[in-house]
Amino acid sequence: DAGVIQSPRHEVTEMGQEVTLRCKPISGHDYLFWYRQTMMRGLELLIYFNNNVPIDDSGMPEDRFSAKMPNASFSTLKIQPSEPRDSAVYFCASSFRGTFGYTFGSGTRLTVV
Amino acid sequence: AQRVTQPEKLLSVFKGAPVELKCNYSYSGSPELFWYVQYSRQRLQLLLRHISRESIKGFTADLNKGETSFHLKKPFAQEEDSAMYYCALRLSGGSYIPTFGRGTSLIVHP
Repeated sequence: DAGVIQSPRHEVTEMGQEVTLRCKPISGHDYLFWYRQTMMRGLELLIYFNNNVPIDDSGMPEDRFSAKMPNASFSTLKIQPSEPRDSAVYFCASSFRGTFGYTFGSGTRLTVV
Repeated sequence: AQRVTQPEKLLSVFKGAPVELKCNYSYSGSPELFWYVQYSRQRLQLLLRHISRESIKGFTADLNKGETSFHLKKPFAQEEDSAMYYCALRLSGGSYIPTFGRGTSLIVHP
């Protein structure tokens, strides 16, 4: 298994542009998580899905952020419009309930200028 | 609600020195505690779990319920230990979703 796959690895965009981050979880995992990592706040849980259904999005900072999981093998995190303070590393992770096989992707480093 | 506190954002030591990364938690029940490590520009990886009582890469961590702590220790730090370390808590038998601390950056100087 290739693990959790995120794309792109790096994204540089201008303020006001739409940004879409992608994640492919490990096959068979029924939980998917989106995290944001910054120096100031560490690792923040933005949203998580169980069986493709969003369970808790209370960590999503603003309405500019949205996430979808149209099927078990794909999820997106969208920021529209993007702002410089959104610059961070965004991690996706997946796991299988009942175990702590919590596997992280390599992250997407987002820079909004 | 459960909470994980890592009081040090940065810990700087010299090679061969002992290392202790602090983690305190607030929860009245029986938690499961974990340490994750993130090497430079890599993904987070599970380092160890308290229920395993194992030593990984020379690191150990003991759950102290009296002090509600789960400090990560290593007697002799190596340069390759330089990384970001996150402590995480999960409620035993409860919510599956772990709570992470803010992380401690460990720098080991040659």
